[in-house]
Amino acid sequence: GQNIDQPTEMTATEGAIVQINCTYQTSGFNGLFWYQQHAGEAPTFLSYNVLDGLEEKGRFSSFLSRSKGYSYLLLKELQMKDSASYLCRRNTDKLIFGTGTRLQVFP
Amino acid sequence: GAVVSQHPSWVICKSGTSVKIECRSLDFQATTMFWYRQFPKQSLMLMATSNEGSKATYEQGVEKDKFLINHASLTLSTLTVTSAHPEDSSFYICSASIGRRNEKLFFGSGTQLSVL
Repeated sequence: GQNIDQPTEMTATEGAIVQINCTYQTSGFNGLFWYQQHAGEAPTFLSYNVLDGLEEKGRFSSFLSRSKGYSYLLLKELQMKDSASYLCRRNTDKLIFGTGTRLQVFP
Repeated sequence: GAVVSQHPSWVICKSGTSVKIECRSLDFQATTMFWYRQFPKQSLMLMATSNEGSKATYEQGVEKDKFLINHASLTLSTLTVTSAHPEDSSFYICSASIGRRNEKLFFGSGTQLSVL
């Protein structure tokens, strides 16, 4: 199957840290992507994990556990502009995205 | 980086009319193009996958006679919403992939369709 699940909505305050989870079915796994999407705009690429562990890229980090079918996106030092939807997707022939998480950052 | 140009950015049309959306890969050849639909506060839903020179593969529940996809060249794919109805109002977005496993994905800027 292609179920890729994320929490629907999250809220956080400016300057805080937030973790957005993504769970997926492990069969045929070839890597996992994270994207950011502001309303009415195209998604923008954030990260790609193919091996287990944490990859850090500035304020954003992404973690992967292949055996658990689990990934998370960690956003540090939150800014108002981080309010957006965050989408994960598996690297498969069919480009199916996760359900998406809408993050709202408050001052 | 690779650029995918999508037009129009927004369109308002009357119920019953047809609307064509174009996606062009400007500096690379897109052998595969993906079309998505996105309703407010929801994720991207894959509608169909099109390969240059062949018929598109539609996802379950997507009417191929209503959403006509043409991918006649390596740089152009079109989605035509035929006999549009208000429930077709949505954000439509295309993406083109590079790589056998679609590792690199480039998105158009999206088209907001409003059907009155």
